[in-house]
Amino acid sequence: DAGVTQSPTHLIKTRGQQVTLRCSPKSGHDTVSWYQQALGQGPQFIFQYYEEEERQRGNFPDRFSGHQFPNYSSELNVNALLLGDSALYLCASSSFQGHHGYTFGSGTRLTVV
Amino acid sequence: GQQLNQSPQSMFIQEGEDVSMNCTSSSIFNTWLWYKQDPGEGPVLLIALYKAGELTSNGRLTAQFGITRKDSFLNISASIPSDVGIYFCAGQLSFGNEKLTFGTGTRLTIIP
Repeated sequence: DAGVTQSPTHLIKTRGQQVTLRCSPKSGHDTVSWYQQALGQGPQFIFQYYEEEERQRGNFPDRFSGHQFPNYSSELNVNALLLGDSALYLCASSSFQGHHGYTFGSGTRLTVV
Repeated sequence: GQQLNQSPQSMFIQEGEDVSMNCTSSSIFNTWLWYKQDPGEGPVLLIALYKAGELTSNGRLTAQFGITRKDSFLNISASIPSDVGIYFCAGQLSFGNEKLTFGTGTRLTIIP
């Protein structure tokens, strides 16, 4: 049973560019949350998607946007990249009706140069 | 964004020693969680706590939900090499799909 799958694993982008990160949730999960983890810090909540809608949002600018597809997979888009956007981006899936918590993927390491 | 305060920031111990770490918040949480993160991986849930004052064990790990609901503690007994990693606490207003607010992390290193 595959867990949470994220792609790509590593990415290097130039300041000002746009990036799209992808996440496939664990089988049986229908909710996807995204977190940003800067080096040496704990993960910070970006937003959560359920039924293809954004349900919760953390304190991130509008440059960060997302999407959820009918198969529950999700994308995180970041526009006008800044050097400070360099981080590990984690996807976590869960079951909206369940109470079994989150399963995290291994993340996408984004470096902005 | 808010991050919970964890202490110590790092620990250097010998194999077989016991470990204690804690996490404090300026606001109340109704669920406390402890995660471990290995290099190149996402966090993995170790223990979940749902009630103030609750003490829960998972093998050599024991965690407590502080009575004020603003703190939590994690103890690891008889540490082994695979305990090396970064430990994060996380608070939730309610268990389930509520967002997680993570701590700053405690890095555990075992000295040979």
